[in-house]
Amino acid sequence: GNSVTQMEGPVTLSEEAFLTINCTYTATGYPSLFWYVQYPGEGLQLLLKATKADDKGSNKGFEATYRKETTSFHLEKGSVQVSDSAVYFCALNAGGTSYGKLTFGQGTILTVHP
Amino acid sequence: EAGVVQSPRYKIIEKKQPVAFWCNPISGHNTLYWYLQNLGQGPELLIRYENEEAVDDSQLPKDRFSAERLKGVDSTLKIQPAELGDSAVYLCASSLSPGQGAPGTGELFFGEGSRLTVL
Repeated sequence: GNSVTQMEGPVTLSEEAFLTINCTYTATGYPSLFWYVQYPGEGLQLLLKATKADDKGSNKGFEATYRKETTSFHLEKGSVQVSDSAVYFCALNAGGTSYGKLTFGQGTILTVHP
Repeated sequence: EAGVVQSPRYKIIEKKQPVAFWCNPISGHNTLYWYLQNLGQGPELLIRYENEEAVDDSQLPKDRFSAERLKGVDSTLKIQPAELGDSAVYLCASSLSPGQGAPGTGELFFGEGSRLTVL
């Protein structure tokens, strides 16, 4: 079956540090890949996505590249801010009859200190 | 434009009591989802609706859980009777369906969730 594995958290960084959150997946076919973010007290929001191999998704300074050869979709940001403190979820959608059925990783808690 | 609205935000009940959660999706979104999020885990799909039809309910524990979307707009998820293990956050999401020219497979819009505590 489909699965998503994220790096263990929590992750604690100082402001302006470089961020990487690893994500690898197992899926048949060619899934779409997503990063969702959950800020304190808010619902899940789509951060970025990539729908085919070698695509790079980007938003708010975050980037992730769909690497089919390594089945990875690592999230990166060059300089984090305190406002980036949140829980980050990697997810995939296998498409086809599974349209809309997202398979999520367990989430990574990020805390950024001033 | 209003987002996905869920209520209540928080609910505390004793075990064996019934509970219901309500969701109003983004206007015009034909597809509605209920996801379950246990503490420290990612959400898991319970049920997916296309308009008023449940097209994927394979993960819904049908002995105690039920859901409906009678007019193809808002939806209700019910648990009866609740058990201690049902304590979790119940998330509702909506999206355009493929037939609506969805911009990207799997882009869902989530509500803030309903946090259930069963004592």
